Amino acid sequence: AQSVTQPDIHITVSEGASLELRCNYSYGATPYLFWYVQSPGQGLQLLLKYFSGDTLVQGIKGFEAEFKRSQSSFNLRKPSVHWSDAAEYFCAVFPHYGGSQGNLIFGKGTKLSVKP
Amino acid sequence: DAGVTQSPTHLIKTRGQQVTLRCSPKSGHDTVSWYQQALGQGPQFIFQYYEEEERQRGNFPDRFSGHQFPNYSSELNVNALLLGDSALYLCASSHRDRGTEAFFGQGTRLTVV
Repeated sequence: AQSVTQPDIHITVSEGASLELRCNYSYGATPYLFWYVQSPGQGLQLLLKYFSGDTLVQGIKGFEAEFKRSQSSFNLRKPSVHWSDAAEYFCAVFPHYGGSQGNLIFGKGTKLSVKP
Repeated sequence: DAGVTQSPTHLIKTRGQQVTLRCSPKSGHDTVSWYQQALGQGPQFIFQYYEEEERQRGNFPDRFSGHQFPNYSSELNVNALLLGDSALYLCASSHRDRGTEAFFGQGTRLTVV
């Protein structure tokens, strides 16, 4: 069965420091992969997505993620964190079975706190 | 474009009652999916509606049911509420040919007491 694991429940970084949030997935084929961000009391906002091609993808708000098939990972990175990045981050896989129909399977999320 | 809108924002219900949550999809979208996000968890897929029919369903009991209207808006109904149904319910809309491009609403926070 498809699944997504986010090993870190809570991460605290200092403002201006770099960030890496880990994500591992289990899926039988090349997955569609996503990172979403959720601010308190809010819905989900898409940061970036990977379907195929270049394994380093750029997203909004200065985020990027790298797909590593050999490690079944899709880690999210940001070179310099801003206080406004404090939120919860969700990695998700979309089992597409070759088409565009399907649903998202989410990890449990990583809560990011930013120290001034 | 108002995006995906959900109502109400917050709701408090008593155990055993029934609840209806509503979702209006983003303009141009014809497919609506519902997710349940329990506290401290990631969203879990409940079901998806397209052409007024349930197209896919996650691992949720029959107490969870839905409906899609001709204007593509959707309702999520939960019967015989349990304390464990307390969660943020998220609606996502997409176009039938671009299921990966889902937009989420702000959610409805349901508290069962």
